[in-house]
Amino acid sequence: QKEVEQDPGPLSVPEGAIVSLNCTYSNSAFQYFMWYRQYSRKGPELLMYTYSSGNKEDGRFTAQVDKSSKYISLFIRDSQPSDSATYLCAMKAPGAAGNKLTFGGGTRVLVKP
Amino acid sequence: KAGVTQTPRYLIKTRGQQVTLSCSPISGHRSVSWYQQTPGQGLQFLFEYFSETQRNKGNFPGRFSGRQFSNSRSEMNVSTLELGDSALYLCASSRNLAGVNTGELFFGEGSRLTVL
Repeated sequence: QKEVEQDPGPLSVPEGAIVSLNCTYSNSAFQYFMWYRQYSRKGPELLMYTYSSGNKEDGRFTAQVDKSSKYISLFIRDSQPSDSATYLCAMKAPGAAGNKLTFGGGTRVLVKP
Repeated sequence: KAGVTQTPRYLIKTRGQQVTLSCSPISGHRSVSWYQQTPGQGLQFLFEYFSETQRNKGNFPGRFSGRQFSNSRSEMNVSTLELGDSALYLCASSRNLAGVNTGELFFGEGSRLTVL
């Protein structure tokens, strides 16, 4: 079993809908949680960053972390065709791990006009 | 502010050859990490360099190596290429503010390696 699980999709939604993405993980030491967006043939781009549990909002994006359930979510409101991409969750434990991230496999999202 | 720059963007090699990939981090970033991305395995951590020292290494064979220079630029090398080494190789840099490794990585666009 992988340390971080993420549904590969594709997740297809109509323009304007809410996109809901999630990841589950098994390592309770993870404290830093990130969401990256990756367009085809491009490098991942950091979207959201959360430390420990709680919610964080940035424009149309909301990230949630539930450490008790080992579950993180990303919500995209008012989705646009330009949101069509692969979304990767990533996690890190503090301390000696440096900047080593453990990634989920990514969820491909298609927003249809 | 310029982003992370990786060269070359695309390259084709044959089995048994070696390859060197280059990465220039964002100005002021001292940490450089390398990841391999394939459709089957996703993003996998190769190694991380900080102040010219490797401080983290993933589970890859010794054919994969890297180094960092005093200006924080980094190179990775893969020797005796195998078909399975075909992948997108991503470099990422990080600020490491006040010695805290937050994991906020800024990625380059990658070097796509095809091994024939």
